[in-house]
Amino acid sequence: DGGITQSPKYLFRKEGQNVTLSCEQNLNHDAMYWYRQDPGQGLRLIYYSQIVNDFQKGDIAEGYSVSREKKESFPLTVTSAQKNPTAFYLCASRNSNTEAFFGQGTRLTVV
Amino acid sequence: AQSVAQPEDQVNVAEGNPLTVKCTYSVSGNPYLFWYVQYPNRGLQFLLKYITGDNLVKGSYGFEAEFNKSQTSFHLKKPSALVSDSALYFCAVRAPGMSNNDMRFGAGTRLTVKP
Repeated sequence: DGGITQSPKYLFRKEGQNVTLSCEQNLNHDAMYWYRQDPGQGLRLIYYSQIVNDFQKGDIAEGYSVSREKKESFPLTVTSAQKNPTAFYLCASRNSNTEAFFGQGTRLTVV
Repeated sequence: AQSVAQPEDQVNVAEGNPLTVKCTYSVSGNPYLFWYVQYPNRGLQFLLKYITGDNLVKGSYGFEAEFNKSQTSFHLKKPSALVSDSALYFCAVRAPGMSNNDMRFGAGTRLTVKP
């Protein structure tokens, strides 16, 4: 089936540790996005990428990093510089005039 | 700058009654408008979109939305609510020709349908 897959579903991070969230799509979409969702809030854009080997900061990029080495993959690293990383992370992809397709999300918790 | 507002944090309706979830937007030019639904601990699922054409858009699961340019609104509606419609609903807006990051989401409206 075509779609967008995020893994893992749940992730626990220790203080000071970097963790990487995976996002893979087989929809042949050019653009990919990472959003953060906190309780009672909408989606806030962390990073986005329009083409391979290019990405741009969103509204809340501090403490995060990404790469786009392949069209299908857009992993997000939550670094130790992100002081409040506990949240639900959503990856999405789309082509120019289509709706965005979302993965099932990764819930990150600091322990 | 473009933005979207969902004025109600919570909407409660009885099963079988019609439901409306409100959305207003601010964008330069003609907007692309979207509704998504989110169930607990899941990603967002696309419901419907307005790009151009008829102002009344029909989508998944019996939902529809009406684009009203004069009121800059795109309210989501369903004639008869189901308990299974209970979820978090997001409106989103994008302006054609803008960069790919310019898809803005509302804060979400939690819909509760009571039996």
